[in-house]
Amino acid sequence: DSGVTQTPKHLITATGQRVTLRCSPRSGDLSVYWYQQSLDQGLQFLIQYYNGEERAKGNILERFSAQQFPDLHSELNLSSLELGDSALYFCASSIAGGSYEQYFGPGTRLTVT
Amino acid sequence: AQSVTQLGSHVSVSEGALVLLRCNYSSSVPPYLFWYVQYPNQGLQLLLKYTSAATLVKGINGFEAEFKKSETSFHLTKPSAHMSDAAEYFCAVSGGFGNEKLTFGTGTRLTIIP
Repeated sequence: DSGVTQTPKHLITATGQRVTLRCSPRSGDLSVYWYQQSLDQGLQFLIQYYNGEERAKGNILERFSAQQFPDLHSELNLSSLELGDSALYFCASSIAGGSYEQYFGPGTRLTVT
Repeated sequence: AQSVTQLGSHVSVSEGALVLLRCNYSSSVPPYLFWYVQYPNQGLQLLLKYTSAATLVKGINGFEAEFKKSETSFHLTKPSAHMSDAAEYFCAVSGGFGNEKLTFGTGTRLTIIP
C-alpha cells in the first residue's frame, strides 16, 4: 500500500459525459501528479500540482482539467468524453524538493462507451 | 527533453535464472532514474531510484540497477528469478527539481518459466 488513494476504482460512462477522479496523496506529500496509461500511448504525464498551484503540464487535453485543494487532495475532471479517453488514470504523490520518487495510487479505470 | 528506451517488450527467463531488463536514457540535464513494477490490475510500485549518490543502486525484492553514464544506461538485474517477479517493469526518468515529471519507457513484460 503506497498510501495514495484514488476513487473510484472503476468508472463506466457514455461519450459526451463528464467525470471527476479523486486522489488523496500520502500524508506529508505536497506534490500530486496525474498520469494516463493506455495501450496505444503507454504511460503519459498529464499535470502536476504542488501545494495547490499548478507546477507542470504535459500532454493534457483542453477537455481535461485538474485542481489541488487546500487539504492537498486533487481532482481530475474529464469532460466531453470520447471513446479514446478510455484508460487507466493514475495519481502519484511526492514530497517535492526531496529525492523526487513518486508513489502511485491504485488507479481509476475509465471506460467510455 | 528526456526520454527512455526499454529494449525488449517481452522477456522470458527460467525460475532461478538471471533477470536483465534493459533501459537507456536520454537527458539534457543530470537525470534521476527509476524502475517501477506493475502487477496486473495494480498501480506502479517503486523498485529503486538513482539520484546521483551511488551508481549501483539496490532496491526491493532483490533487484538492483547500475547507472552507466558513458553508456547512458540503467539496466535492472536480479540474480535469481522467482515466479512472483512476473509483472511489467517500467524505467522512468525525471530532471529533478523543477522538472519532476516522470517520462516512462514503454515497459517490459517479464515472464518466469517454471
